[in-house]
Amino acid sequence: LAKTTQPISMDSYEGQEVNITCSHNNIATNDYITWYQQFPSQGPRFIIQGYKTKVKNEVASLFIPADRKSSTLSLPRVSLSDTAVYYCLVGDMNTGFQKLVFGTGTRLLVSP
Amino acid sequence: EPEVTQTPSHQVTQMGQEVILRCVPISNHLYFYWYRQILGQKVEFLVSFYNNEISEKSEIFDDQFSVERPDGSNFTLKIRSTKLEDSAMYFCASSGEVYNEQFFGPGTRLTVL
Repeated sequence: LAKTTQPISMDSYEGQEVNITCSHNNIATNDYITWYQQFPSQGPRFIIQGYKTKVKNEVASLFIPADRKSSTLSLPRVSLSDTAVYYCLVGDMNTGFQKLVFGTGTRLLVSP
Repeated sequence: EPEVTQTPSHQVTQMGQEVILRCVPISNHLYFYWYRQILGQKVEFLVSFYNNEISEKSEIFDDQFSVERPDGSNFTLKIRSTKLEDSAMYFCASSGEVYNEQFFGPGTRLTVL
């Protein structure tokens, strides 16, 4: 499993766009990039997944450069309820179901 | 929207006692998992389960742990003789065909005294 590195914490204000970057220099050809969100005392929740270029859903966007050695989760116009820990995970989706390996994640604090 | 449910939400037990944590995965999912998170630490994988058998387990998942799918809906984690260090939040998860999209339950907070 490719190792990921992301900032320990980030601060933002309501209404701002937040970009969290994750480094995964050893990403393999078959690896996908997945982001999860965890609120205090809750289980992680899948946000978005991508392989290359840009992916967008109703919650976030995921930007992946051509070399795929990093990825950026973009949260548009954050609110207080976006305060959570965000995890970047890299793994091979083609080998079937597999465990998720969580790092320490990025703790995002959104203030009024 | 379908969701994973877990019971109880909080379990307090004495060291050495057996506990069973229960989960009801999403009904059409076939892959099931248990994770745990000690307070302030990372979410750690314990075990994955498919087709009525363990697919993978971590070093944490020693002989004191077992999993079972006793019927078509429940998925349980049993700890035979709890230790103080088993105190943690235990999350059940399930997934369908999109393997990396695992749906987590709300967790059971286990406190071992």
